[in-house]
Amino acid sequence: KAGVTQTPRYLIKTRGQQVTLSCSPISGHRSVSWYQQTPGQGLQFLFEYFSETQRNKGNFPGRFSGRQFSNSRSEMNVSTLELGDSALYLCASRPGTVAYEQYFGPGTRLTVT
Amino acid sequence: AQSVAQPEDQVNVAEGNPLTVKCTYSVSGNPYLFWYVQYPNRGLQFLLKYITGDNLVKGSYGFEAEFNKSQTSFHLKKPSALVSDSALYFCAVRVGGPSNTGKLIFGQGTTLQVKP
Repeated sequence: KAGVTQTPRYLIKTRGQQVTLSCSPISGHRSVSWYQQTPGQGLQFLFEYFSETQRNKGNFPGRFSGRQFSNSRSEMNVSTLELGDSALYLCASRPGTVAYEQYFGPGTRLTVT
Repeated sequence: AQSVAQPEDQVNVAEGNPLTVKCTYSVSGNPYLFWYVQYPNRGLQFLLKYITGDNLVKGSYGFEAEFNKSQTSFHLKKPSALVSDSALYFCAVRVGGPSNTGKLIFGQGTTLQVKP
């Protein structure tokens, strides 16, 4: 099976702009989670989706949002970008809510200038 | 509050020697614990998990981890390190709340350096 794919892999944006990142889970996986990884804060949970519904949300401002489509693909959006949003954004999928381990994609490296 | 601590920023070991990467946790209820590894410019790869049962858990690439409830620890081990094991290792715990949530709390990571 193909792994989790994320597009684009690298992105450079300017402060104030908005950005949309995409994640395609492993085929058959219906749960998708998003994490932000920075050198200072480490890995932090953003949100989790299952069957197009947000099941859990981390402690991030409302500028960070996401959604999941009927084919389980997910997108996250960050509006009004700030320099501190520069990070590696990781998407992870698992088959459903019963499965424990998650499988991560390679991430999208976002640089805000 | 639930948390994970990895007390060592870096662990250095010679190839062929045993390695240990330490992790302690603080959770309410039963802990669901995980180890992931990250290579440069890559996502996280799942190594192993502890959900219940035997305290010694075996995982991928010859790694194993020992769950110790009294010490609230979940140390990662390997009997004989390889240079290719050099990477960033993360310990994580699944957070309580809505049943079967996928939310993980990660430790700050430990860089493992294996020297020839």
